[in-house]
Amino acid sequence: ILNVEQSPQSLHVQEGDSTNFTCSFPSSNFYALHWYRWETAKSPKALFVMTLNGDEKKKGRISATLNTKEGYSYLYIKGSQPEDSATYLCALKPGTASKLTFGTGTRLQVTL
Amino acid sequence: IAGITQAPTSQILAAGRRMTLRCTQDMRHNAMYWYRQDLGLGLRLIHYSNTAGTTGKGEVPDGYSVSRANTDDFPLTLASAVPSQTSVYFCASSDRPGPSTDTQYFGPGTRLTVL
Repeated sequence: ILNVEQSPQSLHVQEGDSTNFTCSFPSSNFYALHWYRWETAKSPKALFVMTLNGDEKKKGRISATLNTKEGYSYLYIKGSQPEDSATYLCALKPGTASKLTFGTGTRLQVTL
Repeated sequence: IAGITQAPTSQILAAGRRMTLRCTQDMRHNAMYWYRQDLGLGLRLIHYSNTAGTTGKGEVPDGYSVSRANTDDFPLTLASAVPSQTSVYFCASSDRPGPSTDTQYFGPGTRLTVL
């Protein structure tokens, strides 16, 4: 079973703060890394898919980077807003025929 | 509205009973998946199907069965429910399995309680 770890487990920031969290995975097995956003009482929604070492993706105030050699990805949120409150999941696809293995998520709460 | 629907939304079930959770997608996606979500454990794959007519086991398949008679439907059956199957169940689909990156689209979930 692959070990996909996310840290921190939870995070509480003030509106306007910038924040980041980490997804770690075995660097020896890599095909793609996904980030999903999961709001309370809703279903997970895809944010980014990254496949190449050094990939950077951006969507509005949210961006992600990927380092496959050392086995980690960072998700950044610039100027957090209350609507950013959600659990952010990363998921590893280790090979072409493999299924996604999800981390346990980082729960972000943004308050006014 | 295109997407994935799941039924029921929630269910309380006596141990030993049989239960089928329904999942239907209208995106004509080839691959479908069933996950369970438990506190502290994240999403764990139960079963999957790469295409109609085929199924495979995920990380936690014991006590569950699936079928994929057509592209749209992927029901999950608990033959004899046990309390440890109390969980929230999510169905998902993706366009292409295998060499694709497998971006998945999730249904709204079914909350199942087994007493």
